[in-house]
Amino acid sequence: TQLLEQSPQFLSIQEGENLTVYCNSSSVFSSLQWYRQEPGEGPVLLVTVVTGGEVKKLKRLTFQFGDARKDSSLHITAAQTGDTGLYLCAPRRRTSYDKVIFGPGTSLSVIP
Amino acid sequence: ETGVTQSPTHLIKTRGQQVTLRCSSQSGHNTVSWYQQALGQGPQFIFQYYREEENGRGNFPPRFSGLQFPNYSSELNVNALELDDSALYLCATSRAGRETDTQYFGPGTRLTVL
Repeated sequence: TQLLEQSPQFLSIQEGENLTVYCNSSSVFSSLQWYRQEPGEGPVLLVTVVTGGEVKKLKRLTFQFGDARKDSSLHITAAQTGDTGLYLCAPRRRTSYDKVIFGPGTSLSVIP
Repeated sequence: ETGVTQSPTHLIKTRGQQVTLRCSSQSGHNTVSWYQQALGQGPQFIFQYYREEENGRGNFPPRFSGLQFPNYSSELNVNALELDDSALYLCATSRAGRETDTQYFGPGTRLTVL
């Protein structure tokens, strides 16, 4: 049984601060996706990382896939109120179907 | 906006009743997945349909069933509703293929079971 954890579970910060959230698993995955979900909406894909050690940047967001492909981090620089939401990681496997298995999420609140 | 729509947006049912939720697929997407998201948790995979056949199922009982139609729209049916079925139900559509293909989620249906 794969164990997927995200930390912290909740995070409340002031606008302009930096933060990092983590996604850890007991299993090795072939790729990993990060989603953001805003209240009343479905999750929206932010990035897919495929290679161990890969780093991808999306404006103020920096995503890293661990060397062993078992963990990942998301770093946000100078957080804005629009970053508020639930951040979900979703490791992927090469299976016969492309279901997405989500972590429990980190709920981020950025206060003006 | 993803182009995936779900109906209804909100629904209230009582324990023991049956419910049908609907999802319309984004153009060109032949795969649909359904998820249950309890308050404060990540979405849990229910099942996936590809070309009108179930193509994978999560840890949900048989009273959760689905259909996919020739136009790739989909339904989720839940029989004998229980209080714990109260949740946000999300559908996501994609093109079948690589694991890195993007899934596009609808806004969800909020189901409350009293």
